[in-house]
Amino acid sequence: GAVVSQHPSRVICKSGTSVKIECRSLDFQATTMFWYRQFPKQSLMLMATSNEGSKATYEQGVEKDKFLINHASLTLSTLTVTSAHPEDSSFYICSATIAGGSTDTQYFGPGTRLTVL
Amino acid sequence: AQSVTQLDSHVSVSEGTPVLLRCNYSSSYSPSLFWYVQHPNKGLQLLLKYTSAATLVKGINGFEAEFKKSETSFHLTKPSAHMSDAAEYFCVFSGGYNKLIFGAGTRLAVHP
Repeated sequence: GAVVSQHPSRVICKSGTSVKIECRSLDFQATTMFWYRQFPKQSLMLMATSNEGSKATYEQGVEKDKFLINHASLTLSTLTVTSAHPEDSSFYICSATIAGGSTDTQYFGPGTRLTVL
Repeated sequence: AQSVTQLDSHVSVSEGTPVLLRCNYSSSYSPSLFWYVQHPNKGLQLLLKYTSAATLVKGINGFEAEFKKSETSFHLTKPSAHMSDAAEYFCVFSGGYNKLIFGAGTRLAVHP
């Protein structure tokens, strides 16, 4: 149980294009979903927190107009990297907490490797 | 301030020998603590979680961790390492408001 999927697992795009990454909770409803970024050989950095039907809360230093987050349902959140540049290349990981479950236990997706040429 | 420190960036063990990954935390209140494992190019998998019930927490794949308040530690152990245990391990602190605070990670290498 508590499976989170991400699509795509890997994406390569040209500079200036936009890329959408989907995060789905497959067997539970997610109260809250989180988006993280991980640089090579580093830990995870929280980018934003989103609740279904509400605007996402972004961490300090994260551009909300560049990283658009939509949490349209209790099982789906999307992250759109707009006008991507090479410095946006990274490993993006989402996580979710279970509605009605422990609010501090997050279940992570397998991650999406974004490469911007 | 709340923080979590993983004391070793790299740990190398031989297959079949014990594993010890060290983690210390700093908190003004009783924390929720986690250990997650990440295999290359994969997401994070929850190994175990401490939430003030039993101080010795048993997780998946033979791992366990002991919460020691007096030492502000939450070290991860396994009696006998397998090759498949080679991965990155993160000690994580629940900082309130659903936010997780990650340690820097410990890369575990297992040699035949």
